[in-house]
Amino acid sequence: GAGVSQSPSNKVTEKGKDVELRCDPISGHTALYWYRQSLGQGLEFLIYFQGNSAPDKSGLPSDRFSAERTGGSVSTLTIQRTQQEDSAVYLCASSPMGRQGWEKLFFGSGTQLSVL
Amino acid sequence: QKEVEQNSGPLSVPEGAIASLNCTYSDRGSQSFFWYRQYSGKSPELIMFIYSNGDKEDGRFTAQLNKASQYVSLLIRDSQPSDSATYLCAVNPPRFVFGPGTRLSVLP
Repeated sequence: GAGVSQSPSNKVTEKGKDVELRCDPISGHTALYWYRQSLGQGLEFLIYFQGNSAPDKSGLPSDRFSAERTGGSVSTLTIQRTQQEDSAVYLCASSPMGRQGWEKLFFGSGTQLSVL
Repeated sequence: QKEVEQNSGPLSVPEGAIASLNCTYSDRGSQSFFWYRQYSGKSPELIMFIYSNGDKEDGRFTAQLNKASQYVSLLIRDSQPSDSATYLCAVNPPRFVFGPGTRLSVLP
């Protein structure tokens, strides 16, 4: 596709259940990011993948959160034993890697996660 | 202290006025600074970046950077109702740490 694709667009789950959120980045983009945005708040960095390097997991809020990126393309963010405070919009972004070491982020439409 | 701070607003300005959005950051080693715009219910989109002290102009937008004061701002000249959005400041690529955003409302 032309842009970053995220699925599902909405996810309602019960407290304690596990959820998987998917991100399909723009073809050829080597960098992939996950952010979380709670209602009325800014973007909270979760994790960053760049090529074959070890991911920067420094933003993951707890060990219930994990992410993987298969084949340098699609990424899955998994939240185990969801809690109500996990309710937020989860945004994925991808980026080509420029010569200066960064490029602008292209965001997907996000997954609205609601934990009941 | 949070890495990136912004006034949450809302900042209300009349149509045609100059809107001034401010951002401060804590990491003195930060080199590159970004302004993203986010319309309600939409995803953020990049509008400007700056990495040298001083001003950078792009159409109606001017980014200003003062590394000594750890301060970056965004000026929007001739504000339009279509500029009403939340403006997010970001620093420290490639990680990109975002501020909480300032909500701007341009009144017709």
